[in-house]
Amino acid sequence: NAGVMQNPRHLVRRRGQEARLRCSPMKGHSHVYWYRQLPEEGLKFMVYLQKENIIDESGMPKERFSAEFPKEGPSILRIQQVVRGDSAAYFCASSPPSQNTEAFFGQGTRLTVV
Amino acid sequence: GESVGLHLPTLSVQEGDNSIINCAYSNSASDYFIWYKQESGKGPQFIIDIRSNMDKRQGQRVTVLLNKTVKHLSLQIAATQPGDSAVYFCAEKISGGGNKLTFGTGTQLKVEL
Repeated sequence: NAGVMQNPRHLVRRRGQEARLRCSPMKGHSHVYWYRQLPEEGLKFMVYLQKENIIDESGMPKERFSAEFPKEGPSILRIQQVVRGDSAAYFCASSPPSQNTEAFFGQGTRLTVV
Repeated sequence: GESVGLHLPTLSVQEGDNSIINCAYSNSASDYFIWYKQESGKGPQFIIDIRSNMDKRQGQRVTVLLNKTVKHLSLQIAATQPGDSAVYFCAEKISGGGNKLTFGTGTQLKVEL
């Protein structure tokens, strides 16, 4: 059973471009979470999704950021018109439907905006 | 807003010694706490968890202690090994919120040979 798969592992974008980060949850997991980690800081919650639904997006910036988890395919975190401050590691975690189980994290996508 | 924080950013221990990493939390509504280990360039890895109705839980070489009175959490690692070198995060959540976690800043554990 493969773990949470994120791609790409590293992504370089110029200011103003779009970044698309992908996350394939573990098999059988229908809940996906996105977190952002700045250097030498803890992870910050961004958004919680279930298939085709956004459950909690309280950590998402109001502009330029969006997330989806379609019925088929991976979850996508999209950042439009990237700025240097968007440079960070973005982690995806997944969990099964049960509320009482831990989430498993992927290896992250390291976004660098130049 | 409320947050989880750690007292020590870096902890250096000798191989074979016991390590204690501390964490303070401020959200009294949190009822589930987790310790994660993060190695360089990797994602957080679950170590051990504890629910608020417990004050101690043991795993393999690790023990988590929860003191709700002072809102304090600690991770004890017995016989620390070089492979334990990593950043350790505590995280908290409230039941019913899925796995929406609030993470602390992290403690860098360095194991010296």
